[in-house]
Amino acid sequence: DVKVTQSSRYLVKRTGEKVFLECVQDMDHENMFWYRQDPGLGLRLIYFSYDVKMKEKGDIPEGYSVSREKKERFSLILESASTNQTSMYLCASTFGQGYGYTFGSGTRLTVV
Amino acid sequence: AQSVTQLDSHVSVSEGTPVLLRCNYSSSYSPSLFWYVQHPNKGLQLLLKYTSAATLVKGINGFEAEFKKSETSFHLTKPSAHMSDAAEYFCVVSRSGGSYIPTFGRGTSLIVHP
Repeated sequence: DVKVTQSSRYLVKRTGEKVFLECVQDMDHENMFWYRQDPGLGLRLIYFSYDVKMKEKGDIPEGYSVSREKKERFSLILESASTNQTSMYLCASTFGQGYGYTFGSGTRLTVV
Repeated sequence: AQSVTQLDSHVSVSEGTPVLLRCNYSSSYSPSLFWYVQHPNKGLQLLLKYTSAATLVKGINGFEAEFKKSETSFHLTKPSAHMSDAAEYFCVVSRSGGSYIPTFGRGTSLIVHP
């Protein structure tokens, strides 16, 4: 069964720590996305990537960076975690328009 | 530019009654449209998609949606609700262009009463 795997289901980090969220897909998709999901705000796009080493800012990139060194892996980095980054983080991938998006199960990050 | 509006933040139905979740979109291009479902503490699962073929789209678990260009709508329906349908539902429109970025509605919470 094809899938998108996020390395951690739950994560607790301290303010100021550097945090890595990993996402791996086994479908050979070019396009990968990172979203954060907050109650009442829906899903907001942080960054996306349409090819290896290519990245584009989404709607809320501040405080985040990404890395895509291999096609199957797309990492989200919180350079210095803050409490307002406490959220559910979702990774997704797709071949392209019309194919639909496959999501990971999410990482619930708490910054204390 | 494109956008998605889910007209109801919450919909409450009784088990066995019909479900209607409403979605309106705007898009500068011919859109691809999707409905996703999210159960508590889970990722999003694709229910169905419209990609300029048949306007009535059938999905999993008895759900279907009809694309109406004149009304810019893509409402999700199910003839008879089941308790297991209680979840958050997201309407999504896909931008055209190289990166195929999806734009999400804010979600509709479906509550099913016994």
